[in-house]
Amino acid sequence: AQSVTQPDIHITVSEGASLELRCNYSYGATPYLFWYVQSPGQGLQLLLKYFSGDTLVQGIKGFEAEFKRSQSSFNLRKPSVHWSDAAEYFCAVVGGANNLFFGTGTRLTVIP
Amino acid sequence: DAGVIQSPRHEVTEMGQEVTLRCKPISGHDYLFWYRQTMMRGLELLIYFNNNVPIDDSGMPEDRFSAKMPNASFSTLKIQPSEPRDSAVYFCASSFVQETQYFGPGTRLLVL
Repeated sequence: AQSVTQPDIHITVSEGASLELRCNYSYGATPYLFWYVQSPGQGLQLLLKYFSGDTLVQGIKGFEAEFKRSQSSFNLRKPSVHWSDAAEYFCAVVGGANNLFFGTGTRLTVIP
Repeated sequence: DAGVIQSPRHEVTEMGQEVTLRCKPISGHDYLFWYRQTMMRGLELLIYFNNNVPIDDSGMPEDRFSAKMPNASFSTLKIQPSEPRDSAVYFCASSFVQETQYFGPGTRLLVL
């Protein structure tokens, strides 16, 4: 069965520091993987996605993620975090029936 | 495009009342999804439609929940009768085939 694990519930980083949010997935075939961001009181906004091809994908707002099949991971990274990046981040995988399976989310706090 | 539109954005009702949430998907999208987000359970898929036909409603919690999609541009999620444990944020999302799901801003439901 498909599943996504985000092991970090809450991460705090200083503004300007680098960021890596972890995501591990479980899926039998080649997965379609997504990262979404949710600001307080808002809906989910797509940051980036991986379907196939280059395993390093670029997204909006300076984010990137790398698909590593051997580690079943799709970690999200940003070289320099801005205060406006404070939000909740969700990793998701599409199952065989086009269902999105979400992780439990990682809440990012950015300190000045 | 205006994106996925949901109404109302906020709903406060009393236990036992009927609640109807509305969604207008992005034009041209053939999949529509209803999700529920709570602190305890995170993001859960309730039901999804393909070409206006319900495909998988296994996530619908009880018979009190029902969803319809009478045409390609409109869907409703109805709760009757509502209960306090139904309090959550309900998201609608749409996609074209197995491409990216785009989320609406959500409806915050509070059942007193």
